[in-house]
Amino acid sequence: AQSVTQPDIHITVSEGASLELRCNYSYGATPYLFWYVQSPGQGLQLLLKYFSGDTLVQGIKGFEAEFKRSQSSFNLRKPSVHWSDAAEYFCAVGEIGNKLVFGAGTILRVKS
Amino acid sequence: GAVVSQHPSWVICKSGTSVKIECRSLDFQATTMFWYRQFPKQSLMLMATSNEGSKATYEQGVEKDKFLINHASLTLSTLTVTSAHPEDSSFYICSARPLGAASYNSPLHFGNGTRLTVT
Repeated sequence: AQSVTQPDIHITVSEGASLELRCNYSYGATPYLFWYVQSPGQGLQLLLKYFSGDTLVQGIKGFEAEFKRSQSSFNLRKPSVHWSDAAEYFCAVGEIGNKLVFGAGTILRVKS
Repeated sequence: GAVVSQHPSWVICKSGTSVKIECRSLDFQATTMFWYRQFPKQSLMLMATSNEGSKATYEQGVEKDKFLINHASLTLSTLTVTSAHPEDSSFYICSARPLGAASYNSPLHFGNGTRLTVT
């Protein structure tokens, strides 16, 4: 069965610093990978997705992620974090029929 | 575009009562909607997949008779938590796939969730 691991439960970065959130997946075939962001008490917003092609994908709000098949990873990055980026971030792998298997999430705190 | 509305955004109910949560796709039609549950400080877990005009498909371990799902139209799916108990308190989120979108490579659109508290 597919699984997604986000090793970091919490991450704190200074405003303006770079960010990398880790995501590892387990999937038999070429995965469909997603990153979502969730603000407290809110639903999920899609940041970016990977289906095929270029392994470096650009998303909204200045985020990007790189698919590395050899490492089974799909890490999310942002060169300069803003205070408004504080939220919880979920990595997910897509299954047949659009089902999503989510990682446990990483809570990002931004300190000024 | 592609807005999914969930109602109510929060609800408090007494143990033993039933609660209905609506998930509407406002500007698109959705043949398939998904219901997720999120416990505090945990990730989202898929509860069931709802297809318009047919019975929902429940994930293993989810009680069909407790969580009734109805997808009567292309823009509305409802989740009814029957005889709710405090352990049903959770954050419920729906998502929808637009009509005609491929099953794999179309991003899902999520509602803002419903916080259910059962006292």
